Amino acid sequence: DSGVTQTPKHLITATGQRVTLRCSPRSGDLSVYWYQQSLDQGLQFLIQYYNGEERAKGNILERFSAQQFPDLHSELNLSSLELGDSALYFCASSVNRGDSYGYTFGSGTRLTVV
Amino acid sequence: AQTVTQSQPEMSVQEAETVTLSCTYDTSESDYYLFWYKQPPSRQMILVIRQEAYKQQNATENRFSVNFQKAAKSFSLKISDSQLGDAAMYFCAYRRNAGNAGNMLTFGGGTRLMVKP
Repeated sequence: DSGVTQTPKHLITATGQRVTLRCSPRSGDLSVYWYQQSLDQGLQFLIQYYNGEERAKGNILERFSAQQFPDLHSELNLSSLELGDSALYFCASSVNRGDSYGYTFGSGTRLTVV
Repeated sequence: AQTVTQSQPEMSVQEAETVTLSCTYDTSESDYYLFWYKQPPSRQMILVIRQEAYKQQNATENRFSVNFQKAAKSFSLKISDSQLGDAAMYFCAYRRNAGNAGNMLTFGGGTRLMVKP
């Protein structure tokens, strides 16, 4: 158990639908990062939150949005889903500035759009 | 923008032998960190080793070591005495030292390592 909890582990939904992925960071970590990994590809950075505020955006589609709540858990909302959105979505957390360690990753949510 | 390139999509090694995975990166920053992550079939991302750019000494973690060439922007991973459990996707990653904003990891495309018994 890495300390980063992602739910659900698996999600199957139809095109056009909306889903919410949830991430609870490791205790004490203030930053949350969302990544998308399509089949047999590398991880693409989507968005970062730090202590409730958006801090950086990557290649995140307009159909996707995220937020970080006061208790530091984060949610990634995916709407108007398309077949190409099928992927493994990772959440990672880290402490703060100057954290030279790599981030701690959750086990991911596998999204299948049918 | 920073980029990370892994030029070897697949590598194979005989059990107990040594293998080196290559990684190059492009950045204009001078203060950054480099990482190797392992992703086994379970798809969990596992940190293997990290290197601070300001350190000249190459990092070592048991059977894993790196060859960090800052001027050449090269960061290779050497796995000694390869074991069957080392079979996985390996990702090289870069992170700038930027406080708490814009310090996301940038990943290479990965190298699939196969270990032959």
